[in-house]
Amino acid sequence: QITLKESGPTLVKPTQTLTLTCTFSGFSLFTTGVGVGWIRQPPGKALEWLALVYWNDDKRYSPSLRSRLTITKDTSKNQVVLTMTNMDPVDTATYYCAHRGIVGTTDSWGQGTLVTVSS
Amino acid sequence: DIQMTQSPSSLSASVGDRVTITCRASQGISNYLAWYQQKPGKVPKLLISGASTMQSGVPSRFSGSGSGTDFTLTISSLQPEDVATYYCQKYNNAVWTFGQGTKVEIK
Repeated sequence: QITLKESGPTLVKPTQTLTLTCTFSGFSLFTTGVGVGWIRQPPGKALEWLALVYWNDDKRYSPSLRSRLTITKDTSKNQVVLTMTNMDPVDTATYYCAHRGIVGTTDSWGQGTLVTVSS
Repeated sequence: DIQMTQSPSSLSASVGDRVTITCRASQGISNYLAWYQQKPGKVPKLLISGASTMQSGVPSRFSGSGSGTDFTLTISSLQPEDVATYYCQKYNNAVWTFGQGTKVEIK
């Protein structure tokens, strides 16, 4: 059974850097084809893809947010970390991590963590 | 960047109605198209990948079709438990983009 869980601060101040950790089980980032992605959803709004890291350390980013995002993996710890710099109130959202499997996209999601950006 | 446009943005239909949601890509994406269902307050659930491949456990009233730039999600007989927002997502070239969502309600 695949499970993912996001952790990190619930409140950050404008201009600060957000660091979120996704801890997962039920799969390994040693496995060919596997990836972990991050998606966010502002309250009442649509889903927005942020970043993706593959088993081979290939990393992809949303073109509109590329300059602010960094995704890394710690395969031995079953963790993926997302950092987002220069946070703004418009970045207030629920942040999800998700498993990218053989279907090519996300087939399992974490429960999400609400991050509020406010002074 | 490839944009994904869903229509309509919302719809209201009666139980038993056939419901169709469309998703258009600004460039061809072959069949790298997924559909998700997000019920209020819940995590998105993958319904369909590869434009038409149903995920295990998804009711057979759901179906997907299309290729290239135009895609469709159909609910053949709307049920109360189908109240949700539905999102399309393209995932080719390792860049993912979601549509803006279609909110489905019961009339």
